[in-house]
Amino acid sequence: GESVGLHLPTLSVQEGDNSIINCAYSNSASDYFIWYKQESGKGPQFIIDIRSNMDKRQGQRVTVLLNKTVKHLSLQIAATQPGDSAVYFCAEGSNSGYALNFGKGTSLLVTP
Amino acid sequence: NAGVTQTPKFRVLKTGQSMTLLCAQDMNHEYMYWYRQDPGMGLRLIHYSVGEGTTAKGEVPDGYNVSRLKKQNFLLGLESAAPSQTSVYFCASSYAIVVAGSNEQFFGPGTRLTVL
Repeated sequence: GESVGLHLPTLSVQEGDNSIINCAYSNSASDYFIWYKQESGKGPQFIIDIRSNMDKRQGQRVTVLLNKTVKHLSLQIAATQPGDSAVYFCAEGSNSGYALNFGKGTSLLVTP
Repeated sequence: NAGVTQTPKFRVLKTGQSMTLLCAQDMNHEYMYWYRQDPGMGLRLIHYSVGEGTTAKGEVPDGYNVSRLKKQNFLLGLESAAPSQTSVYFCASSYAIVVAGSNEQFFGPGTRLTVL
């Protein structure tokens, strides 16, 4: 079946730098994408979402970019802080319309 | 609001034992979901519910049953636990579905289950 995947399993950045986490998807029919952050021992927490009629959406210190041509989305975190260390998941709207199809996750480590 | 709560937080079972995981949400959400999370596998959908009294199968439903007798509760049952069901289980709820708009799902803290 079609799946959502991430380019890198781990990413290490220095505090204060910008982080970019990438995600590729293969289902061209997907029209909704969402990023979650999961800290150790906790459930996933919503960061930002985007629909396919948009190329970019900004939140507080985060930006999601969607490139439908190459079926790629990215999460940019500005001025990365130690509290941003976590696993980040991208997910796409499933064909059923009800559930989300999650990628395997990227571990972000912020070093001082 | 407590959001989404799950009980228990941890459980150890022997092969063949049964148990029920309870999920509760106080956001009046119509939709609820059960996922399992295994190392390197991300989250996989087990079952979901689109309203009180309704349930549907997700990606990995075998070995699990669910019930949604009340809108705020979604129960996940294991009738005969197997070591392959050792995992972290997350419950989630949402106000809307994907095709209708934002599908932000709110997750509980998880239940760590070990089957020996």
